[in-house]
Amino acid sequence: EAGVAQSPRYKIIEKRQSVAFWCNPISGHATLYWYQQILGQGPKLLIQFQNNGVVDDSQLPKDRFSAERLKGVDSTLKIQPAKLEDSAVYLCASSLQGSYNEQFFGPGTRLTVL
Amino acid sequence: SQKIEQNSEALNIQEGKTATLTCNYTNYSPAYLQWYRQDPGRGPVFLLLIRENEKEKRKERLKVTFDTTLKQSLFHITASQPADSATYLCAPQSGGSYIPTFGRGTSLIVHP
Repeated sequence: EAGVAQSPRYKIIEKRQSVAFWCNPISGHATLYWYQQILGQGPKLLIQFQNNGVVDDSQLPKDRFSAERLKGVDSTLKIQPAKLEDSAVYLCASSLQGSYNEQFFGPGTRLTVL
Repeated sequence: SQKIEQNSEALNIQEGKTATLTCNYTNYSPAYLQWYRQDPGRGPVFLLLIRENEKEKRKERLKVTFDTTLKQSLFHITASQPADSATYLCAPQSGGSYIPTFGRGTSLIVHP
């Protein structure tokens, strides 16, 4: 079974630039999550999708971050414009149905904002 | 506000010993709690889930306890090996909440 795919693995941008991350979850997984993990901290949920609908985005900085999961499969997370404090690893995860199920994580995208 | 506490200091133990990691939480009552392992440069990997009505759960060399009175979960690795060296994250979750919340994790270092 293929795991959660993410790209790119690494990205370096200057502040005020835009960046987009892509995630392809495990086939058949209805729930998709985007997390931000700052060095030395645990993953912090940014947004959770159930199929193509948003379950929770209360911790997503909506003035600069956006995410979509148009066909209920893969998803993109965008930051526009980026700030220095956005430097982190962005993790995508998926689960069969709901967060009480085991979450499968992708390898993450390490973003550095200069 | 809800708070999850895991030891920020690394736990160093000798190979063969039992490692015990602690997860304390305040200001909420999780219906279940998950433990994940994270290696450097990789995403977390699920290990175990324990529900509030379960006192203990085991999987091979792993054991998790869940004390809702103490608001604490303990994660044990018996007969530890250097390959067990990693960061271990706990994630308690309320039954009515859709938001998965992770602790900062505790780094475990097993010395040969």
